[in-house]
Amino acid sequence: GDSVTQMEGPVTLSEEAFLTINCTYTATGYPSLFWYVQYPGEGLQLLLKATKADDKGSNKGFEATYRKETTSFHLEKGSVQVSDSAVYFCALSDRVNTGGFKTIFGAGTRLFVKA
Amino acid sequence: NAGVTQTPKFQVLKTGQSMTLQCAQDMNHNSMYWYRQDPGMGLRLIYYSASEGTTDKGEVPNGYNVSRLNKREFSLRLESAAPSQTSVYFCASSTRRTGELFFGEGSRLTVL
Repeated sequence: GDSVTQMEGPVTLSEEAFLTINCTYTATGYPSLFWYVQYPGEGLQLLLKATKADDKGSNKGFEATYRKETTSFHLEKGSVQVSDSAVYFCALSDRVNTGGFKTIFGAGTRLFVKA
Repeated sequence: NAGVTQTPKFQVLKTGQSMTLQCAQDMNHNSMYWYRQDPGMGLRLIYYSASEGTTDKGEVPNGYNVSRLNKREFSLRLESAAPSQTSVYFCASSTRRTGELFFGEGSRLTVL
């Protein structure tokens, strides 16, 4: 079945450092890929998405490119801020034959950014 | 804009008690989901309803039942709660085009 694997955390960086969080997936179909973010004490919200191979999703300085050949969707940001401290989840969403989607998540990566 | 609303936000149960978590969305989404979030485990899919009238098991369905009452509402029932079901539960709904999820605020359940 479908699965998502992302790098374990926590990741601790200094402000303005470069961030990479690795995510790889296995899927039987042609899924859409997502990064969701969960700030302390809050629910999850969409950070960025890519719906087909070679698409690049971007938002708030974060980027990720849908790489079908390496089945990856790594999250990057050139210069992190303290306010980026959160838990980041990689997810894939695949169509099912009952007319909608099934979405599964990676285990999440906690990011701490120090001032 | 309500989005996805789930109730209750907090609940404490004793082992063996039953309860139902309610979820409603006002975005006219076809698909709805129940996840649980546990430390170090990410979000695990319990059940989902890809469209009104259908429900399917996710990754961790044991001990739970669901009802897709109509297009707006999707409830999760614990018939006989166990301490292993202590968790934060999230309801979500998704768009038809890409599967992008919209989440409720979560329900923290403790089973003693």
